[in-house]
Amino acid sequence: AQSVSQHNHHVILSEAASLELGCNYSYGGTVNLFWYVQYPGQHLQLLLKYFSGDPLVKGIKGFEAEFIKSKFSFNLRKPSVQWSDTAEYFCAVGNNAGNMLTFGGGTRLMVKP
Amino acid sequence: GAGVSQTPSNKVTEKGKYVELRCDPISGHTALYWYRQSLGQGPEFLIYFQGTGAADDSGLPNDRFFAVRPEGSVSTLKIQRTERGDSAVYLCASSSRTGPVTFGSGTRLTVV
Repeated sequence: AQSVSQHNHHVILSEAASLELGCNYSYGGTVNLFWYVQYPGQHLQLLLKYFSGDPLVKGIKGFEAEFIKSKFSFNLRKPSVQWSDTAEYFCAVGNNAGNMLTFGGGTRLMVKP
Repeated sequence: GAGVSQTPSNKVTEKGKYVELRCDPISGHTALYWYRQSLGQGPEFLIYFQGTGAADDSGLPNDRFFAVRPEGSVSTLKIQRTERGDSAVYLCASSSRTGPVTFGSGTRLTVV
């Protein structure tokens, strides 16, 4: 069975600080990895995804994530956060077709202006 | 429509009652998914439809939960004899066969 762990439950940063959110997964098959974001009062939105190829994936709004197979990790990064990045971030692993998702517990990010 | 639509947005029901939650996927999306998100947790997979049939219902917690998609478009999640532990946000999502999954805003179910 697949599982996803997000070790940081709450993160508070000041604007312009750098961000790294941890994500570790366990899955026996071909890995498809995702980061979703949920802004306050809004639905889940896809930030970025990894299916194959370059392990450094760039997403929307300046976010990127790096797939490190040896560490079973897919950490999310942003060099300089903005107040508008305040949201909850979910890492997820998909099945071979990439569409049935197992989510981590989420990390709530608060960016102070 | 432009996105995945879920109705109602909020539902309060008494313990033991029956509820139906509706999902209207993006037009043309063949795949439809239901997830449940409890407070402080990530979404949990419930069931996946490809067309009219349930391709995977392994996430349904017990036989009080059932979902249908009779014409391959709109889906209804049905919960019988609701319990307080069923309180959660129920999320619906849809995708084309190979495209990204798009989520709706969810139905917040509160069982009192």
